Amino acid sequence: GAGVSQTPSNKVTEKGKYVELRCDPISGHTALYWYRQSLGQGPEFLIYFQGTGAADDSGLPNDRFFAVRPEGSVSTLKIQRTERGDSAVYLCASSPREGAPSAFFGQGTRLTVV
Amino acid sequence: QKEVEQDPGPLSVPEGAIVSLNCTYSNSAFQYFMWYRQYSRKGPELLMYTYSSGNKEDGRFTAQVDKSSKYISLFIRDSQPSDSATYLCAMTRMIYNQGGKLIFGQGTELSVKP
Repeated sequence: GAGVSQTPSNKVTEKGKYVELRCDPISGHTALYWYRQSLGQGPEFLIYFQGTGAADDSGLPNDRFFAVRPEGSVSTLKIQRTERGDSAVYLCASSPREGAPSAFFGQGTRLTVV
Repeated sequence: QKEVEQDPGPLSVPEGAIVSLNCTYSNSAFQYFMWYRQYSRKGPELLMYTYSSGNKEDGRFTAQVDKSSKYISLFIRDSQPSDSATYLCAMTRMIYNQGGKLIFGQGTELSVKP
């Protein structure tokens, strides 16, 4: 596809369960970001990948959150032992290596923990 | 205190009005300044970005950056109902050809009435 694709678009899970959120970046984009957006707030940075490696994971709130990008393309954000406070929209963005510092966002995954 | 402050609004204007949206920031290391538009239940969409201080114009949109005052603005001329959305300012210390996490404002909700 032409844009950043995130699946699922919506996810409802029970407190304590494990969830995985997937991001397919724009083809050829080497930089990939995860953000979290709570209602009425701007997105907050979680983690940044350049290629396969996590170059900056300073935004991950605690060790229940983990993300991988094993082949330098698709990324998965994993949340263990979900809590109600994890409910938010999780956004993925990608950027080309070269050129402007623009980030192209996906539609997001709306996670609801009940 | 947040690194980036943005009045959440809501802001309501009549069609055809000039809209002024603003953000202030505290980190003088920010180099790139962006404006994103976000429609309800969609991901943020990049409108324009500016490097360092100065003005940039794109159609009905003008972005201004005043680094000495740590203040950025987005002006929308001849506003249209289709401009109704949340506008997010974002900033980064990104170095050219490398990634950089975006720091977002809270977003301003704009409504343009026909």
